[in-house]
Amino acid sequence: GNSVTQMEGPVTLSEEAFLTINCTYTATGYPSLFWYVQYPGEGLQLLLKATKADDKGSNKGFEATYRKETTSFHLEKGSVQVSDSAVYFCALSRGGATNKLIFGTGTLLAVQP
Amino acid sequence: GAGVSQSPSNKVTEKGKDVELRCDPISGHTALYWYRQSLGQGLEFLIYFQGNSAPDKSGLPSDRFSAERTGGSVSTLTIQRTQQEDSAVYLCASSLGGSNTEAFFGQGTRLTVV
Repeated sequence: GNSVTQMEGPVTLSEEAFLTINCTYTATGYPSLFWYVQYPGEGLQLLLKATKADDKGSNKGFEATYRKETTSFHLEKGSVQVSDSAVYFCALSRGGATNKLIFGTGTLLAVQP
Repeated sequence: GAGVSQSPSNKVTEKGKDVELRCDPISGHTALYWYRQSLGQGLEFLIYFQGNSAPDKSGLPSDRFSAERTGGSVSTLTIQRTQQEDSAVYLCASSLGGSNTEAFFGQGTRLTVV
């Protein structure tokens, strides 16, 4: 079946550190891949997405590249800020009639000043 | 409205009682989804609506769970005879429908069954 695996948290970093949150997926066909972010007290928001192999999604300094050969979509940011502290969810969608999202378990990121 | 609205934001109920959770999607969004976020389980898909019909109910965990959508807008998720394992945050999302369109999430209803 379709599934998403992402690294366990929490991840604790100092401000301006480099961030990587690993995400791998299992899916038939060619899913679209997403990173969602949930800031404290807020709803889930789409951070970035990629819809085909080798696409790079980017937003707010975050990037992730759709790697079909390694079935991965790792999230990276060169210099994190305290305001990036949140829970990050990797997800996939097979599209089609339902277009439902299948999520990983989430990774809590805590950035310390 | 400006975003997806869910009510109540918090609900505490006694085991065995029925609860109703409400979702107001973004105006014009034909697709509506319910998800559940629980500790240790992550985010699980429950049900998908296209208009008023639900072509995918595959995520509903038991027959105690049901949902409806009326007028292609508001949706209600009902949990009958609540159990402690139903405690979770229930999230609603809506989108314009079709492949690869962005889903917008509400802030969720935190359900606690005591």
